[in-house]
Amino acid sequence: DAGVIQSPRHEVTEMGQEVTLRCKPISGHDYLFWYRQTMMRGLELLIYFNNNVPIDDSGMPEDRFSAKMPNASFSTLKIQPSEPRDSAVYFCASSLAGGSEQYFGPGTRLTVT
Amino acid sequence: AQKITQTQPGMFVQEKEAVTLDCTYDTSDQSYGLFWYKQPSSGEMIFLIYQGSYDEQNATEGRYSLNFQKARKSANLVISASQLGDSAMYFCAMRGLNAGNNRKLIWGLGTSLAVNP
Repeated sequence: DAGVIQSPRHEVTEMGQEVTLRCKPISGHDYLFWYRQTMMRGLELLIYFNNNVPIDDSGMPEDRFSAKMPNASFSTLKIQPSEPRDSAVYFCASSLAGGSEQYFGPGTRLTVT
Repeated sequence: AQKITQTQPGMFVQEKEAVTLDCTYDTSDQSYGLFWYKQPSSGEMIFLIYQGSYDEQNATEGRYSLNFQKARKSANLVISASQLGDSAMYFCAMRGLNAGNNRKLIWGLGTSLAVNP
Protein backbone atom coordinates (compact mmCIF):
# COMPACT_ATOMS: atom_id res chain seq x y z
CA ASP A 1 0.00 0.00 0.00
CA ALA A 2 1.19 3.50 -0.78
CA GLY A 3 2.01 5.65 2.21
CA VAL A 4 1.60 9.39 2.49
CA ILE A 5 3.01 11.07 -0.60
CA GLN A 6 4.53 14.54 -0.56
CA SER A 7 5.91 16.67 -3.33
CA PRO A 8 8.30 18.16 -4.00
CA ARG A 9 10.90 16.45 -1.79
CA HIS A 10 13.18 19.45 -1.97
CA GLU A 11 12.40 23.05 -2.77
CA VAL A 12 14.82 25.95 -3.01
CA THR A 13 13.33 29.36 -3.62
CA GLU A 14 14.14 33.02 -3.21
CA MET A 15 12.65 35.24 -0.56
CA GLY A 16 9.36 36.70 -1.66
CA GLN A 17 8.38 33.83 -3.93
CA GLU A 18 5.27 31.72 -3.49
CA VAL A 19 5.80 28.12 -2.41
CA THR A 20 3.23 25.34 -2.66
CA LEU A 21 3.72 22.01 -0.92
CA ARG A 22 1.53 19.05 -1.82
CA CYS A 23 0.30 16.01 0.05
CA LYS A 24 -1.68 12.90 -0.77
CA PRO A 25 -2.82 11.08 2.39
CA ILE A 26 -3.24 7.35 2.76
CA SER A 27 -6.45 6.28 1.10
CA GLY A 28 -9.30 6.01 3.58
CA HIS A 29 -7.70 8.15 6.24
CA ASP A 30 -9.97 10.84 7.66
CA TYR A 31 -7.40 13.12 9.25
CA LEU A 32 -4.60 15.07 7.63
CA PHE A 33 -1.91 17.00 9.48
CA TRP A 34 0.73 19.51 8.39
CA TYR A 35 3.86 19.83 10.54
CA ARG A 36 7.03 21.91 10.39
CA GLN A 37 10.32 20.68 11.84
CA THR A 38 13.34 22.86 12.64
CA MET A 39 16.34 22.36 14.88
CA MET A 40 15.35 25.33 17.02
CA ARG A 41 11.65 24.57 17.55
CA GLY A 42 11.40 20.83 16.96
CA LEU A 43 8.20 19.45 15.46
CA GLU A 44 5.29 21.90 15.32
CA LEU A 45 1.74 21.17 14.22
CA LEU A 46 0.60 23.83 11.79
CA ILE A 47 -2.93 22.72 10.96
CA TYR A 48 -5.04 19.61 10.71
CA PHE A 49 -8.15 18.59 8.77
CA ASN A 50 -10.92 16.11 9.45
CA ASN A 51 -12.92 14.98 6.42
CA ASN A 52 -11.40 17.86 4.43
CA VAL A 53 -12.49 20.48 6.98
CA PRO A 54 -9.83 22.48 8.89
CA ILE A 55 -10.22 21.73 12.61
CA ASP A 56 -7.30 23.45 14.29
CA ASP A 57 -5.12 26.04 12.56
CA SER A 58 -3.74 27.62 15.70
CA GLY A 59 -0.22 26.57 14.74
CA MET A 60 -0.18 28.45 11.43
CA PRO A 61 2.50 31.07 12.00
CA GLU A 62 0.92 34.00 10.21
CA ASP A 63 -1.20 35.07 7.28
CA ARG A 64 1.53 34.17 4.84
CA PHE A 65 0.66 30.52 5.43
CA SER A 66 -2.50 28.92 4.11
CA ALA A 67 -3.65 25.33 3.72
CA LYS A 68 -6.45 23.73 1.74
CA MET A 69 -7.90 20.28 1.33
CA PRO A 70 -10.21 20.34 -1.69
CA ASN A 71 -10.87 16.59 -1.54
CA ALA A 72 -10.05 13.52 0.52
CA SER A 73 -6.94 12.69 -1.47
CA PHE A 74 -5.16 16.02 -1.77
CA SER A 75 -3.97 18.91 0.37
CA THR A 76 -1.73 21.91 -0.18
CA LEU A 77 0.25 24.16 2.11
CA LYS A 78 1.07 27.51 0.57
CA ILE A 79 3.53 30.16 1.76
CA GLN A 80 3.22 33.57 0.12
CA PRO A 81 5.52 35.45 0.29
CA SER A 82 8.22 33.12 1.57
CA GLU A 83 10.94 34.29 3.98
CA PRO A 84 14.29 32.74 4.98
CA ARG A 85 12.89 31.87 8.42
CA ASP A 86 10.41 29.54 6.72
CA SER A 87 13.28 27.21 5.85
CA ALA A 88 12.42 23.87 7.46
CA VAL A 89 11.24 20.36 6.73
CA TYR A 90 7.48 20.24 6.24
CA PHE A 91 5.72 16.96 6.95
CA CYS A 92 2.28 15.81 6.05
CA ALA A 93 0.71 12.98 8.07
CA SER A 94 -2.62 11.17 8.02
CA SER A 95 -4.59 8.92 10.36
CA LEU A 96 -7.81 6.97 10.55
CA ALA A 97 -10.78 8.28 12.47
CA GLY A 98 -10.79 5.33 14.82
CA GLY A 99 -7.05 5.03 15.11
CA SER A 100 -4.60 7.16 16.97
CA GLU A 101 -1.25 6.83 15.27
CA GLN A 102 -0.33 9.24 12.52
CA TYR A 103 1.55 8.08 9.44
CA PHE A 104 4.02 10.57 8.05
CA GLY A 105 5.11 11.36 4.53
CA PRO A 106 8.79 11.69 3.63
CA GLY A 107 8.74 15.46 4.11
CA THR A 108 9.59 18.45 1.93
CA ARG A 109 12.86 20.20 2.71
CA LEU A 110 12.29 23.90 2.01
CA THR A 111 15.15 26.34 1.70
CA VAL A 112 14.37 30.02 1.24
CA THR A 113 17.37 32.16 0.31
CA ALA B 1 -1.28 21.95 30.28
CA GLN B 2 0.02 18.89 28.49
CA LYS B 3 3.76 18.42 28.26
CA ILE B 4 6.24 15.75 27.18
CA THR B 5 9.78 15.70 28.58
CA GLN B 6 12.64 13.70 27.14
CA THR B 7 15.62 14.38 29.38
CA GLN B 8 18.28 12.53 27.38
CA PRO B 9 19.45 14.58 24.39
CA GLY B 10 21.83 11.79 23.37
CA MET B 11 22.37 8.13 24.22
CA PHE B 12 24.93 5.50 23.25
CA VAL B 13 24.47 1.73 23.32
CA GLN B 14 26.55 -1.23 22.20
CA GLU B 15 25.16 -3.37 19.45
CA LYS B 16 23.04 -6.29 20.75
CA GLU B 17 22.48 -4.64 24.14
CA ALA B 18 19.18 -3.23 25.40
CA VAL B 19 18.59 0.50 25.85
CA THR B 20 15.90 2.54 27.60
CA LEU B 21 14.85 5.97 26.32
CA ASP B 22 13.08 8.07 28.92
CA CYS B 23 9.81 9.93 28.51
CA THR B 24 7.78 11.65 31.20
CA TYR B 25 4.52 13.41 30.61
CA ASP B 26 2.11 15.79 32.28
CA THR B 27 -1.61 15.85 31.60
CA SER B 28 -4.89 16.46 33.34
CA ASP B 29 -6.76 14.13 31.01
CA GLN B 30 -8.10 10.92 32.50
CA SER B 31 -7.68 9.05 29.24
CA TYR B 32 -4.73 9.58 26.93
CA GLY B 33 -2.46 7.85 24.48
CA LEU B 34 1.32 7.75 24.32
CA PHE B 35 3.34 7.24 21.15
CA TRP B 36 6.93 6.68 20.12
CA TYR B 37 8.30 7.60 16.72
CA LYS B 38 11.71 7.01 15.13
CA GLN B 39 13.40 9.47 12.79
CA PRO B 40 16.51 8.08 11.07
CA SER B 41 19.02 10.34 9.35
CA SER B 42 17.06 9.98 6.12
CA GLY B 43 14.38 12.14 7.75
CA GLU B 44 11.16 10.15 7.66
CA MET B 45 9.07 9.79 10.83
CA ILE B 46 8.25 6.16 11.59
CA PHE B 47 5.55 5.13 14.07
CA LEU B 48 6.88 2.52 16.50
CA ILE B 49 4.50 1.80 19.35
CA TYR B 50 1.37 3.02 21.13
CA GLN B 51 0.17 2.75 24.74
CA GLY B 52 -3.27 3.75 25.95
CA SER B 53 -3.57 4.99 29.51
CA TYR B 54 -6.32 2.46 30.09
CA ASP B 55 -4.23 -0.51 28.89
CA GLU B 56 -3.28 -2.80 31.74
CA GLN B 57 -0.48 -4.46 29.82
CA ASN B 58 2.63 -2.71 28.57
CA ALA B 59 2.67 -2.44 24.80
CA THR B 60 5.16 -4.50 22.80
CA GLU B 61 6.03 -4.50 19.10
CA GLY B 62 8.85 -6.83 18.18
CA ARG B 63 12.04 -5.51 19.80
CA TYR B 64 10.22 -2.43 21.08
CA SER B 65 8.39 -2.34 24.39
CA LEU B 66 6.93 0.49 26.39
CA ASN B 67 7.56 0.57 30.12
CA PHE B 68 4.42 2.40 31.21
CA GLN B 69 4.30 3.58 34.82
CA LYS B 70 1.12 5.57 35.21
CA ALA B 71 1.69 6.73 38.77
CA ARG B 72 5.09 8.11 37.80
CA LYS B 73 3.74 9.50 34.52
CA SER B 74 6.48 7.83 32.56
CA ALA B 75 6.39 5.96 29.26
CA ASN B 76 9.91 4.80 28.57
CA LEU B 77 10.80 3.02 25.33
CA VAL B 78 12.89 -0.12 25.66
CA ILE B 79 14.74 -1.40 22.61
CA SER B 80 16.10 -4.90 23.04
CA ALA B 81 19.04 -6.37 21.13
CA SER B 82 20.06 -3.05 19.56
CA GLN B 83 21.03 -3.03 15.90
CA LEU B 84 23.08 -0.52 13.93
CA GLY B 85 19.90 0.48 12.11
CA ASP B 86 18.39 1.64 15.40
CA SER B 87 20.65 4.71 15.32
CA ALA B 88 18.17 7.58 14.97
CA MET B 89 16.23 10.30 16.79
CA TYR B 90 13.38 9.00 18.92
CA PHE B 91 10.36 11.12 19.79
CA CYS B 92 7.76 10.58 22.48
CA ALA B 93 4.30 12.09 21.95
CA MET B 94 0.92 12.19 23.67
CA ARG B 95 -2.68 13.19 23.08
CA GLY B 96 -5.80 13.23 25.20
CA LEU B 97 -8.53 10.71 24.37
CA ASN B 98 -11.48 12.27 26.19
CA ALA B 99 -14.54 13.06 24.13
CA GLY B 100 -14.02 16.37 22.42
CA ASN B 101 -10.24 16.16 22.53
CA ASN B 102 -8.76 17.25 19.28
CA ARG B 103 -6.19 15.17 17.46
CA LYS B 104 -3.21 17.35 18.26
CA LEU B 105 -0.16 15.40 19.42
CA ILE B 106 2.13 16.96 22.03
CA TRP B 107 5.75 16.13 21.16
CA GLY B 108 8.97 15.85 23.13
CA LEU B 109 12.22 17.26 21.79
CA GLY B 110 13.65 13.83 21.08
CA THR B 111 16.58 11.64 22.06
CA SER B 112 19.40 10.88 19.66
CA LEU B 113 20.46 7.22 19.91
CA ALA B 114 23.76 5.97 18.53
CA VAL B 115 24.38 2.23 18.35
CA ASN B 116 28.06 1.34 18.44
CA PRO B 117 29.34 -1.78 16.64
